[in-house]
Amino acid sequence: DTAVSQTPKYLVTQMGNDKSIKCEQNLGHDTMYWYKQDSKKFLKIMFSYNNKELIINETVPNRFSPKSPDKAHLNLHINSLELGDSAVYFCASSQVGFGTDTQYFGPGTRLTVL
Amino acid sequence: GNSVTQMEGPVTLSEEAFLTINCTYTATGYPSLFWYVQYPGEGLQLLLKATKADDKGSNKGFEATYRKETTSFHLEKGSVQVSDSAVYFCALSKETSGSRLTFGEGTQLTVNP
Repeated sequence: DTAVSQTPKYLVTQMGNDKSIKCEQNLGHDTMYWYKQDSKKFLKIMFSYNNKELIINETVPNRFSPKSPDKAHLNLHINSLELGDSAVYFCASSQVGFGTDTQYFGPGTRLTVL
Repeated sequence: GNSVTQMEGPVTLSEEAFLTINCTYTATGYPSLFWYVQYPGEGLQLLLKATKADDKGSNKGFEATYRKETTSFHLEKGSVQVSDSAVYFCALSKETSGSRLTFGEGTQLTVNP
């Protein structure tokens, strides 16, 4: 009964390849997020979707394209992977509203670009 | 913009020692404040939160009080255990910013037996 799940957990690939990371939540939340954690453990928001609508799009290269087929899923597709894309990517979800904005995180996907 | 500053780590303590990890924030209005914990090789787990001034969040012996006057949300625990070894993140969110979490740099805590 995992609340927020991500696949795959590990992803090792070559520069220039295209890859996708999938995220699913079974909490009934209306908002989902992607965060990137760099090698120094710093976490930064990348994208956020509310009811399948993009509401946050930080200064992320357009090689990164999120897709939300429904409010329980938020996938991240990355084109033309670069060495600097190596990081841990976390998906999260929340129910946005006064006093109920706690975000729940998935286990993370460690992406290594060789 | 919003920002969070945490005390620099790493922090190394002996078991049963007192823990304080300082966290201060910059934001307009009244953000919600959080402490998340990341155990080795795992994702982030919510440790505690506070949504308004003077609220105290507590969980698993950890406490933090939302201090509007000093814009702080310091994490404390009276007696740490080896199992508390992890990275601790202070964070804030505001609905007007799309409820995104803005994180501090994280503080690595190691507790030795």
